[in-house]
Order: sequence, then structure tokens, then C-alpha cells
Amino acid sequence: DAMVIQNPRYQVTQFGKPVTLSCSQTLNHNVMYWYQQKSSQAPKLLFHYYDKDFNNEADTPDNFQSRRPNTSFCFLDIRSPGLGDAAMYLCATSRGDRDNEKLFFGSGTQLSVL
Amino acid sequence: AQSVTQPDIHITVSEGASLELRCNYSYGATPYLFWYVQSPGQGLQLLLKYFSGDTLVQGIKGFEAEFKRSQSSFNLRKPSVHWSDAAEYFCAVGGMDSSYKLIFGSGTRLLVRP
Repeated sequence: DAMVIQNPRYQVTQFGKPVTLSCSQTLNHNVMYWYQQKSSQAPKLLFHYYDKDFNNEADTPDNFQSRRPNTSFCFLDIRSPGLGDAAMYLCATSRGDRDNEKLFFGSGTQLSVL
Repeated sequence: AQSVTQPDIHITVSEGASLELRCNYSYGATPYLFWYVQSPGQGLQLLLKYFSGDTLVQGIKGFEAEFKRSQSSFNLRKPSVHWSDAAEYFCAVGGMDSSYKLIFGSGTRLLVRP
């Protein structure tokens, strides 16, 4: 009964070739997040949506974009992937009750850049 | 600045032994504290959280953590480790002024000896 679903599980792309990662949720949560996690490092927040309001982290490269067409779906677009963008990308959701209610994570998409 | 420090990169314990994973935080306001566990190639699962009240919190899988404000710590403990507990453990901090964001520590990898 997966509640936060990420597709694909593994993604291979070429250097400079645009790639899109997808995330869907069945929880009807207000907030959706994208985290980048490189090997043996902490997850790093890239951006989040509260409903349709987009919030970018100050140090997120312009190469990373996001779209949230509706409550259930959120996409991460990498316009020109570099070798340094190879990582696990984690999608998460929360109700957004301003009490930092529990985050629900998907299983992640492992991105390789050749 | 807000930060989370997990001083132990790796910890190895024998099955059945007790476990303590350390976490120290720096946060300007009242912190909300979390412990997440990540199995290889998977997303993060919440073990427990502290918002307020009793400083000793119980979580899933027999884990507990104690919030010590004077030491800025939130250490995770388990009295008897099982082989299935081998995973990466992340401490995280958030708060009411953080716009729903969590800051993660760099993680501690737990290895369990038979």
C-alpha cells in the first residue's frame, strides 16, 4: 500500500540530456518535497511545494526545476544533468500543519549520469 | 545556524547488545527532533519524534530517544539490537519557524555482528 510512489526506481541518463523524475501520493498531503541524497550523505532539501506555492532552497542549482500540476503529482526536472547530479532523489510529503508533522518518504529514484 | 551533528559515521554492535546513537543539534528556536531509518536503496522511515512533553520518547521497533536540552542532544537507544536493525540512521531537526523543512544529520551506519 505504497503512499508515496516514485518512478522510475532507477534512471540512467546521459551527460546533458534532460531527465524527469516523478512522484505521486495517495495521502492528499499539502506539502511535497524533493531531497537529493548523495552516497553516504544526508538528504539535502532542493525545494518544496505547499499546495501550489513553490519554495526553492537558496543553494539549489538553476539546473533543477520542479512542477506540481495537481495535489497528487510532483515532478523533478534536471535540465542538463552533470556527473555531479548522480544521486538518490527522494520525494516526501507532509500535511503541512506547521508542527512538522511526520514526513512520508518514497523509496527514491537512483539517478546515474553517464 | 541550524545544524545536526551525528559524530559516529559507523557503529558495529553484536546482536543482542545495547545500542546508543548520538545526535547533537543547533537550533535557534524550540526544536522538533526526529530519528529516521533508511535501509539500502530505500526511502526514510520515521522511528520516533519529539515535539514537547516527556523528554523520553518511544518509537517503533523498540527504539527510544531522550531529549536533553542542556546538552542539545537527542540520542537514540535500543536495549537489544537485532540483525534486522542494520541500516543507516538519520537524526533531523525542524521547528515551527522552519517552514516545514527538516535538516538532517549525515547519518550513522549501524552494522550488526551475528
